[in-house]
Amino acid sequence: DAGITQSPRHKVTETGTPVTLRCHQTENHRYMYWYRQDPGHGLRLIHYSYGVKDTDKGEVSDGYSVSRSKTEDFLLTLESATSSQTSVYFCAAQAGSGRFDEQFFGPGTRLTVL
Amino acid sequence: AQSVTQLGSHVSVSEGALVLLRCNYSSSVPPYLFWYVQYPNQGLQLLLKYTSAATLVKGINGFEAEFKKSETSFHLTKPSAHMSDAAEYFCAVNSGGSNYKLTFGKGTLLTVNP
Repeated sequence: DAGITQSPRHKVTETGTPVTLRCHQTENHRYMYWYRQDPGHGLRLIHYSYGVKDTDKGEVSDGYSVSRSKTEDFLLTLESATSSQTSVYFCAAQAGSGRFDEQFFGPGTRLTVL
Repeated sequence: AQSVTQLGSHVSVSEGALVLLRCNYSSSVPPYLFWYVQYPNQGLQLLLKYTSAATLVKGINGFEAEFKKSETSFHLTKPSAHMSDAAEYFCAVNSGGSNYKLTFGKGTLLTVNP
């Protein structure tokens, strides 16, 4: 367990408003990830980080940005929320770059965009 | 790019019956495969992983999976289902080219009937 927490756990917002989701880990893992989970799609990678200030896009990055100023924190920002971004968002962390290294997941944030 | 396909978005079994959840992978290089479980309203947690040390992998809660290269499969099984096994199960593969990214299947929801 990487001691991953996410905040907020639930959020309802309106179309066009900015939203920031926070992920915090306590184990000093190098790699961090943001996924979204939607019925019928499984988990899809939004953005990931391979170190402080080092981030890259995943498969569904449009409309999202991320920042990582400290090892333990990884922020996901929706600059202008849209209804298509209603989803459950999961943060994950991974210690190393080994091909069989485990990813540890947070409890998720349920976001509703009205 | 590597990918996984989970056959059956929903599997229903009776308590005490065999659980079989199917996962097939597509990979041009030896894959590193994972099974994760997600209980209702929680994040994902690792069940087991294939690291090439053994083709039969034992995980938590009595689950196991067998890697079959000839069939490009990594199916998850449990001899006797318990009510507490009701959850969504995800197969994942380490993405080629980046040792720190996972690609997930769309998930299989397991229902256990009394």
